[in-house]
Amino acid sequence: DAGITQSPRHKVTETGTPVTLRCHQTENHRYMYWYRQDPGHGLRLIHYSYGVKDTDKGEVSDGYSVSRSKTEDFLLTLESATSSQTSVYFCAAKGGPDTGELFFGEGSRLTVL
Amino acid sequence: AQSVTQLDSHVSVSEGTPVLLRCNYSSSYSPSLFWYVQHPNKGLQLLLKYTSAATLVKGINGFEAEFKKSETSFHLTKPSAHMSDAAEYFCVVSAVTNAGKSTFGDGTTLTVKP
Repeated sequence: DAGITQSPRHKVTETGTPVTLRCHQTENHRYMYWYRQDPGHGLRLIHYSYGVKDTDKGEVSDGYSVSRSKTEDFLLTLESATSSQTSVYFCAAKGGPDTGELFFGEGSRLTVL
Repeated sequence: AQSVTQLDSHVSVSEGTPVLLRCNYSSSYSPSLFWYVQHPNKGLQLLLKYTSAATLVKGINGFEAEFKKSETSFHLTKPSAHMSDAAEYFCVVSAVTNAGKSTFGDGTTLTVKP
């Protein structure tokens, strides 16, 4: 896991409520990513960050926002959760865009009822 | 643009027999290629990576993969499967000119029978 921790690890919420997932890293990685994992779809990129306050959209960004106010923390927010956002969310980090290894957290399982 | 296709969603082998997980990729740039493994309820762990050095790459736990540019393939192999190899495997392509973003295949579930 190389110092990547996610919280909460499990959450059940209701449709329409806001949800924030937190990713914390201790290795001073510059790049951080949020993915969602769904059966048959591999991991799909939601948003990523290439530095403090620098973020950009991934391929499935609708309904999600992110913030990165410190190098070590990358927050994923679902403004108004929907059942289609039920998924396992993974945070990952790496030191640069040099195609090096991604380090992953252990995932956050979100269920939206 | 880049993409990855894992040709088998499920592979089943007997313990002690060879493993072959197939991956084809597409990239507009010189890619780096990776295989990750995910055990149940866990995050992903790097098995091996190709970054334009030797085309035959050795990874952890006896796995290896060969980069074949002419075939745009990066298949993962292991001579002898172990029960502990049962997991989901992801082939990943990444390119520095794409802000380092990684594209994942849909995954291959490996089952190992006793």
